Amino acid sequence: SQQGEEDPQALSIQEGENATMNCSYKTSINNLQWYRQNSGRGLVHLILIRSNEREKHSGRLRVTLDTSKKSSSLLITASRAADTASYFCATDALGGANSKLTFGKGITLSVRP
Amino acid sequence: DTGVSQDPRHKITKRGQNVTFRCDPISEHNRLYWYRQTLGQGPEFLTYFQNEAQLEKSRLLSDRFSAERPKGSFSTLEIQRTEQGDSAMYLCASSSANTQYFGPGTRLTVL
Repeated sequence: SQQGEEDPQALSIQEGENATMNCSYKTSINNLQWYRQNSGRGLVHLILIRSNEREKHSGRLRVTLDTSKKSSSLLITASRAADTASYFCATDALGGANSKLTFGKGITLSVRP
Repeated sequence: DTGVSQDPRHKITKRGQNVTFRCDPISEHNRLYWYRQTLGQGPEFLTYFQNEAQLEKSRLLSDRFSAERPKGSFSTLEIQRTEQGDSAMYLCASSSANTQYFGPGTRLTVL
């Protein structure tokens, strides 16, 4: 079953604009991770935010986490055509012994040159 | 680059045939995961190994599926008597802590 739900399902922006993607989840978590997947390929890890963290930055990426609302957002600033991909949030449930990840359905981001 | 590798990258088979996929994790990682991803969906957890021990299996893993990690290094996932519903991308991931690193996946098409 899918734990997370990303919003929107699809996003189309112009190169240089910022892209904001949201994720909601259902159960308490240890951490939340964002991944990128280019068409037909494997997943690339972008960033991990722990349940006791509220915001994290990595390059052009900014992730926020609101555990009271069970939601996270991923902001990509100054987008590039190469950012075109599907983005997934994945959660590691609190109390889980094996750190398996539960993914949402993903957001398709298109960045127009 | 010593990332996670998977073989083969693509597999086309006829219904009823057996297939086996291989995953080579990052060498120092003791945790290994298999996931399955169908079109338009996120990956779904199948099974987890810590070293050579298979510690968790999803209900998605029917009796036709078996996974091994005999020496705590590479892992294999076998599907017996394949069905069209098995068509999917099979992803392997490894980790030593919280972050899971994924391989490129094996895309299975069952005709």
